[in-house]
Amino acid sequence: SQQGEEDPQALSIQEGENATMNCSYKTSINNLQWYRQNSGRGLVHLILIRSNEREKHSGRLRVTLDTSKKSSSLLITASRAADTASYFCATSGSARQLTFGSGTQLTVLP
Amino acid sequence: DTGVSQDPRHKITKRGQNVTFRCDPISEHNRLYWYRQTLGQGPEFLTYFQNEAQLEKSRLLSDRFSAERPKGSFSTLEIQRTEQGDSAMYLCASSPTTGWGEKLFFGSGTQLSVL
Repeated sequence: SQQGEEDPQALSIQEGENATMNCSYKTSINNLQWYRQNSGRGLVHLILIRSNEREKHSGRLRVTLDTSKKSSSLLITASRAADTASYFCATSGSARQLTFGSGTQLTVLP
Repeated sequence: DTGVSQDPRHKITKRGQNVTFRCDPISEHNRLYWYRQTLGQGPEFLTYFQNEAQLEKSRLLSDRFSAERPKGSFSTLEIQRTEQGDSAMYLCASSPTTGWGEKLFFGSGTQLSVL
């Protein structure tokens, strides 16, 4: 079963714009991770934020975590056509394995 | 670090046939995971190994599925008597840690089509 739900399911923006996608989850977590998947390929880890952290940055990525609302957001700034992919949040909590959401399909138009 | 390798990349089979997939994790990674992903969905956990021991199996893993990791190196996932509902991408991932919730390194997956 999916622990997280990403919102929106699909997002289309112009190159250079910022892209924001959200993740909500149901149970308490130890950390939350974001992964990227290009079509037909495996997932690539982007960033991990622990439950005691509120914000984290990595290059053009900014992740926030609000444990009181059980939600996280991923912001990609100055998007590029190469950012076109599906983005998944994954949570680690009482279950020992990572549990993934259903993903946001991001399309960046040149 | 050569990455997680999965073979084959694509497999087309007829209903009722058996199929076997192989995963070679990053060397010295203790943990190895199998996930299944259907179109438009996120990966769903199937099973994981700590070295050669299979420590957890999802309810998704029916008795037609079996996984092994002999000697704690590569792993195989076998599906017997395949059904059309088995059509999916099968992803393998590995992790170097013995802790929980750390990042996973994924292979490119095996896309299974059951006709």
